[in-house]
Amino acid sequence: QSALTQPASVSGSPGQSITISCTGTSSDVGGFNYVSWYQQHPDKAPKLMIYDVSYRPSGVSSRFSGSKSGNTASLTISGLQAEDEADYYCSSDTSSSTLGVFGTGTKVTVL
Amino acid sequence: EVQLVQSGAEVKKPGESLKISCKASGYDFSTYWIVWVRQMPGKGLEWMGNIYPGDSDTRYSPSFQGQVTISADKSISTAYLQWSSLKASDTAIYYCAKLVSIRYFDSWGQGTLVTVSS
Repeated sequence: QSALTQPASVSGSPGQSITISCTGTSSDVGGFNYVSWYQQHPDKAPKLMIYDVSYRPSGVSSRFSGSKSGNTASLTISGLQAEDEADYYCSSDTSSSTLGVFGTGTKVTVL
Repeated sequence: EVQLVQSGAEVKKPGESLKISCKASGYDFSTYWIVWVRQMPGKGLEWMGNIYPGDSDTRYSPSFQGQVTISADKSISTAYLQWSSLKASDTAIYYCAKLVSIRYFDSWGQGTLVTVSS
């Protein structure tokens, strides 16, 4: 399965909102409500931020929200903070029976 | 508390074999898929394959089929990733992660850096 498509980089000023897209196909993003998002700071393991398209795990800031339309999922970070500067990856279940796929990754820069 | 603790960094030569580990604690190891994820230097996450420790059902992403072997020993709550003949292009950080209901990863290991160089 091919990687999901994300923009290479997104930037914003502190306090602004940014949105990261994650585009797949009807065999992954469009076919399942099982999109998740991960934050990865340099030299750290990824951290779950959103699961099942729009659910936040306990302890994740409400500034993070997720949505999906057709074959494209989105992660929105509102009230951007310096600590949000990191790489973000989407992931989706696929029709390939237990094998999922990651997005290409997006570097978020806080200006 | 759920924890996945991976084995330490490795430096190997091309052609050598290697087996790295991921020890789980804090949950029923047998009932959740473990996934191995590769991250090459400066690159993104790649889904390598999964194992269900309860019955050792193993799946590989097409790019990794035949290149690595994933296994698990449920008696010691440990999953493994192994290579029979390493290549320089295997240089990467490898993460194990606990897959919840085949939907998302709620816990990750700290990563194992594998460096393959002559």
